[in-house]
Amino acid sequence: AQKVTQAQTEISVVEKEDVTLDCVYETRDTTYYLFWYKQPPSGELVFLIRRNSFDEQNEISGRYSWNFQKSTSSFNFTITASQVVDSAVYFCALSERTGGFKTIFGAGTRLFVKA
Amino acid sequence: KAGVTQTPRYLIKTRGQQVTLSCSPISGHRSVSWYQQTPGQGLQFLFEYFSETQRNKGNFPGRFSGRQFSNSRSEMNVSTLELGDSALYLCASSLGTGGVQETQYFGPGTRLLVL
Repeated sequence: AQKVTQAQTEISVVEKEDVTLDCVYETRDTTYYLFWYKQPPSGELVFLIRRNSFDEQNEISGRYSWNFQKSTSSFNFTITASQVVDSAVYFCALSERTGGFKTIFGAGTRLFVKA
Repeated sequence: KAGVTQTPRYLIKTRGQQVTLSCSPISGHRSVSWYQQTPGQGLQFLFEYFSETQRNKGNFPGRFSGRQFSNSRSEMNVSTLELGDSALYLCASSLGTGGVQETQYFGPGTRLLVL
């Protein structure tokens, strides 16, 4: 069975601090995809990144970076020099072939960035 | 390209009533998935439609149903509303090729309040 755990319920930082959001997943499939989505107060989930199980290269996009480690089943997300606009709920998600490609979301981490 | 649209954005109903929510996917996307988001249960998968057929289903009672039209637009219906159905209902569209690498793009959601 697939499972996504985001142990951090809420994180509060001061602007310009770096912050890492943790994501640990469970799956029996060898082929799967991991995603991060951002949900600002407006409610719409915004796609941030997709990573497949065969590509463990870290990714950097501006102030965002992602660290994928299959050995620890983790897919962590770091925001460098956080800004107030980064305040949102961030979801990690897993999609695997077993169960018909359903996407399972973690509980989310609410990030507060204070000015 | 226009994003995923959902109507209505807000809805207030009373217990026992039924409700229909609508979702128009991104042009060219053939798969539509529905999710329920509540503070207690998080984001939960309801069902997925592709080519007018339900391809996958979550663990929700039969009161929750959906359909997809030939233009890929989708509706979901909740009959005999209960207080616990109050939630943000999110629709997501994807290409629908069936591969696990699908990225879902979300609409702004319909916020349903059941009194």
